[in-house]
Amino acid sequence: KNEVEQSPQNLTAQEGEFITINCSYSVGISALHWLQQHPGGGIVSLFMLSSGKKKHGRLIATINIQEKHSSLHITASHPRDSAVYICAVRMSGNQFYFGTGTSLTVIP
Amino acid sequence: ETGVTQTPRHLVMGMTNKKSLKCEQHLGHNAMYWYKQSAKKPLELMFVYNFKEQTENNSVPSRFSPECPNSSHLFLHLHTLQPEDSALYLCASESGAGSYNEQFFGPGTRLTVL
Repeated sequence: KNEVEQSPQNLTAQEGEFITINCSYSVGISALHWLQQHPGGGIVSLFMLSSGKKKHGRLIATINIQEKHSSLHITASHPRDSAVYICAVRMSGNQFYFGTGTSLTVIP
Repeated sequence: ETGVTQTPRHLVMGMTNKKSLKCEQHLGHNAMYWYKQSAKKPLELMFVYNFKEQTENNSVPSRFSPECPNSSHLFLHLHTLQPEDSALYLCASESGAGSYNEQFFGPGTRLTVL
């Protein structure tokens, strides 16, 4: 069993829809990261959270440390948001666990 | 453009070859990472260099060996690889030793082992 579970694995949405991707983890963490990976492989760090909520443009990330759960929300989705979104948790030091990713396709 | 570059972007090699992957960053970061991404699997942390101190994932085979000559450059030396080593190899850098720093990823090297 993976220490980090994401849902859904695949998601197709119409342009403009509100999207939620979920991440649950089973270990104690110091921080949680949301990453975006476009076709071709390049990864961009979207958020790093240790508590509460962060917002950047149309993206919002929340984390509930007690419930070991985080969500990534995309408002007014656009085809350029199509990518794989990866949840990663960091334990103390250099230990990371990664989810398998959520593949998002936004249709015009 | 994250400020982290990797070369080559694509590599095809036979099982008897020796090759090296290179990662470079000029962001002033002190920590650099090698990750492996196989199809349908989570990213796997292979090696970390943090202020020149190496940490490795014990499950990584010895046919992979890292080298970090300075804080801006990181290599992954490959020898006698197996077809199951075919994957995307990603390098990342981070500003320091703390637990609350963002990682910056390179574009990756797509490796195919024949």
